[in-house]
Amino acid sequence: EVLLVESGGGLVKPGGSLRLTCAASGFTFSSYSMNWVRQAPGKGLEWVSSIGGSGGYIYYVDSVKGRFTISRDNAKNSLYLQMNSLRAEDTAVYYCARATTLSGIAASGTAYWGEGTLVTVSS
Amino acid sequence: QSVLTQPPSASGTPGQRVTISCSGSSSNIGSYTVNWYQQFPRTAPKLLIYSNDQRPSGVPDRFSGSKSGTSASLAISGLQSEDEADYYCAAWDDTLNGCVFGTGTKVTVL
Repeated sequence: EVLLVESGGGLVKPGGSLRLTCAASGFTFSSYSMNWVRQAPGKGLEWVSSIGGSGGYIYYVDSVKGRFTISRDNAKNSLYLQMNSLRAEDTAVYYCARATTLSGIAASGTAYWGEGTLVTVSS
Repeated sequence: QSVLTQPPSASGTPGQRVTISCSGSSSNIGSYTVNWYQQFPRTAPKLLIYSNDQRPSGVPDRFSGSKSGTSASLAISGLQSEDEADYYCAAWDDTLNGCVFGTGTKVTVL
């Protein structure tokens, strides 16, 4: 069974940093691209970032470029999101999501999601 | 601001067919496949349709997807009370070099 468990969320002041972790199990982690998707309170879904199985490609939504860094440790079956210079508008539930197939999110979306971790940026 | 446009709401009575549209452009829906997600309050989204019209295992065949040009649709036939949820379309966008989600549609079962 595919399992994704996010951790690391919490309350942080504007300008602060947080590191989110997604612990994966139940599949060959290194074979699949992984993604972060967020949802602000009462708002829709917003894709944040994607990383290839070997880390060979990385993409970000414009609003987080230069501030967020996605990475993965295939030996630890873990995905990370380092978030720096946080802003109030980054307040959201952050979900870790795995591509449906080996072809990645562009071809097949994300069939597996964690339960999310809440990040609140407020003074 | 999302680049994929959906109607904010849709509704129907039990047993009816409801259709949700998703309008994009040549850089997203026109070039890539479309995926649809269902989300209940305070829960993670669930993939309903991928690659335009494919259902993951476990998704009832009441849900179907289609794509034509730069638009896509999700149809729910035989609407049931448990279908009351938010629905989002999504596609890759090669201008933005990222995934884009639709604005979301809240389905109400009357």
